[in-house]
Amino acid sequence: AQKITQTQPGMFVQEKEAVTLDCTYDTSDQSYGLFWYKQPSSGEMIFLIYQGSYDEQNATEGRYSLNFQKARKSANLVISASQLGDSAMYFCAMRALGRGSTLGRLYFGRGTQLTVWP
Amino acid sequence: EAQVTQNPRYLITVTGKKLTVTCSQNMNHEYMSWYRQDPGLGLRQIYYSMNVEVTDKGDVPEGYKVSRKEKRNFPLILESPSPNQTSLYFCASSLLQGPLLANEQFFGPGTRLTVL
Repeated sequence: AQKITQTQPGMFVQEKEAVTLDCTYDTSDQSYGLFWYKQPSSGEMIFLIYQGSYDEQNATEGRYSLNFQKARKSANLVISASQLGDSAMYFCAMRALGRGSTLGRLYFGRGTQLTVWP
Repeated sequence: EAQVTQNPRYLITVTGKKLTVTCSQNMNHEYMSWYRQDPGLGLRQIYYSMNVEVTDKGDVPEGYKVSRKEKRNFPLILESPSPNQTSLYFCASSLLQGPLLANEQFFGPGTRLTVL
């Protein structure tokens, strides 16, 4: 079975500072992908960044980077130079290929509420 | 524009009154899924479909039905809604071809349902 754990229900960061949102995962499959989604207060789900299990480099997308530590099974999201508009719920998710997974399915963590203050 | 649409966006109803939440995608995606989101619980999968006429239960299917008669549509049916189905519902879709792992899952805007 696949499991995603986000241990921080809430995080606070001052504007322009960097923040790390934690995500650990558990899977017995060798091939998997990790996603981060942002959900602002308006409710929509916005895809931020993707990391494949075989990718040798950490993924980056603008101010977002993924600190992927395969041996520790962690995929933390790093937001650099936080902005007020980054205040939102952030979800970590995983998709795997293998006996323990349903093809195409995304498994989600419970989310971390990030608040950026001025 | 590539998108997943859901209707209605907001719905207040009463216990026992059957309702349908529609979901449609224009990206020719094989995979479609319904989630419910409740505070502190994240997104939990209700039902999913890998193609037309192929549907299966997710983690919390009780009280829900789905159908997939056309590739683009995946309606969620609550035959007899109850207050514990008050939630935020998302429909999502993705490809089951190409780089399977990396295919982004596209989400609809959400449907906020209140059952009194």
